[in-house]
Amino acid sequence: DAGVTQSPTHLIKTRGQQVTLRCSPKSGHDTVSWYQQALGQGPQFIFQYYEEEERQRGNFPDRFSGHQFPNYSSELNVNALLLGDSALYLCASKVRGARPEAFFGQGTRLTVV
Amino acid sequence: GQSLEQPSEVTAVEGAIVQINCTYQTSGFYGLSWYQQHDGGAPTFLSYNALDGLEETGRFSSFLSRSDSYGYLLLQELQMKDSASYFCAVETNAGKSTFGDGTTLTVKP
Repeated sequence: DAGVTQSPTHLIKTRGQQVTLRCSPKSGHDTVSWYQQALGQGPQFIFQYYEEEERQRGNFPDRFSGHQFPNYSSELNVNALLLGDSALYLCASKVRGARPEAFFGQGTRLTVV
Repeated sequence: GQSLEQPSEVTAVEGAIVQINCTYQTSGFYGLSWYQQHDGGAPTFLSYNALDGLEETGRFSSFLSRSDSYGYLLLQELQMKDSASYFCAVETNAGKSTFGDGTTLTVKP
């Protein structure tokens, strides 16, 4: 079992560009959540997907959007990148309705210049 | 909204016991989770409390008091490898997780 895998691991983008990050959940997991983690801070909840729909959303602007595919994998899209979007983006998966134990991927380090 | 408070740093020596406290304010509280994150690594799940009381998992224990909106993580027989950041996270009944800013634990020989 490969666990939660994210791609790419590192990414450098220019202000104003758009970026897509990808996540494959742990085998058997159906719920995917995305987090933004700035240096020295805890993960900030962006949104959660289940059954291909956004179920919960944190305090992030509409520039942040996502998608979940029938195989439970997920994408995070960020439009009109700002310097402040530079962070580690983490994907976490779990089984809906089970204990809240979430399995995190290693993250994508996004740098906006 | 939700808010959590935990100490920013804790230092202890090998073999000692350390307690990391977490206080929270939230609506729709469902439970409190704890995660460990080493530098450059992914957060890994340690423990979860939905009911008042103590949950023990090996050297780690976690406690919750719902009436006090308070919990703690207890680490016993500290080892150098326990040096990491520890996050408490509130789980709501809507399925949302809110993390604290983390406590950096430094274990010294």
